[in-house]
Amino acid sequence: AQTVTQSQPEMSVQEAETVTLSCTYDTSESDYYLFWYKQPPSRQMILVIRQEAYKQQNATENRFSVNFQKAAKSFSLKISDSQLGDAAMYFCAYTRGNQFYFGTGTSLTVIP
Amino acid sequence: EAGVAQSPRYKIIEKRQSVAFWCNPISGHATLYWYQQILGQGPKLLIQFQNNGVVDDSQLPKDRFSAERLKGVDSTLKIQPAKLEDSAVYLCASSLGKRGSTDTQYFGPGTRLTVL
Repeated sequence: AQTVTQSQPEMSVQEAETVTLSCTYDTSESDYYLFWYKQPPSRQMILVIRQEAYKQQNATENRFSVNFQKAAKSFSLKISDSQLGDAAMYFCAYTRGNQFYFGTGTSLTVIP
Repeated sequence: EAGVAQSPRYKIIEKRQSVAFWCNPISGHATLYWYQQILGQGPKLLIQFQNNGVVDDSQLPKDRFSAERLKGVDSTLKIQPAKLEDSAVYLCASSLGKRGSTDTQYFGPGTRLTVL
């Protein structure tokens, strides 16, 4: 079975600073997709960013960017200019075919 | 556009009782997913529908869990009988389904189940 590991249960960042959340995964496949989801306290999970494994270019969405290292099976999320609204649980997810695997999440606190 | 709707938002039952959750996906979304999220863990996929057919239910405990999507729109997830370890948030998600599993999934607010 595939596994997704988020080794940082909790992280904190000062408002306007930059923070990086880590994610590693285990797969023997070469074609797959990776996602970062945000789950605020209201529990409605929303997509932050996605990365296709066949693309070498790192995905970017405004203040959110990823560092995708395929050989190392690493997929970290960088949040720049952190805002109070970024406080949430962040989940890394792997998908291929009909299989979906989520990590255990990283709780991000933004300090004013 | 309206998001994924789920009801009820909260449910408390005693073990061995039955419970059902309802999900209404985003209009036009062919694929519907049910996840179980135990406190402190990431969501675990239970079952995936494409229209009214089951694509994958390998992680669904079929001795007590069942799900259906009869008309390819709404879906219900049932637990009968419930166990203490079923306490979790049950999330429903939907996606367009045009490109299969690589679609963006849109999640509902979830149903928090507590089994006493």
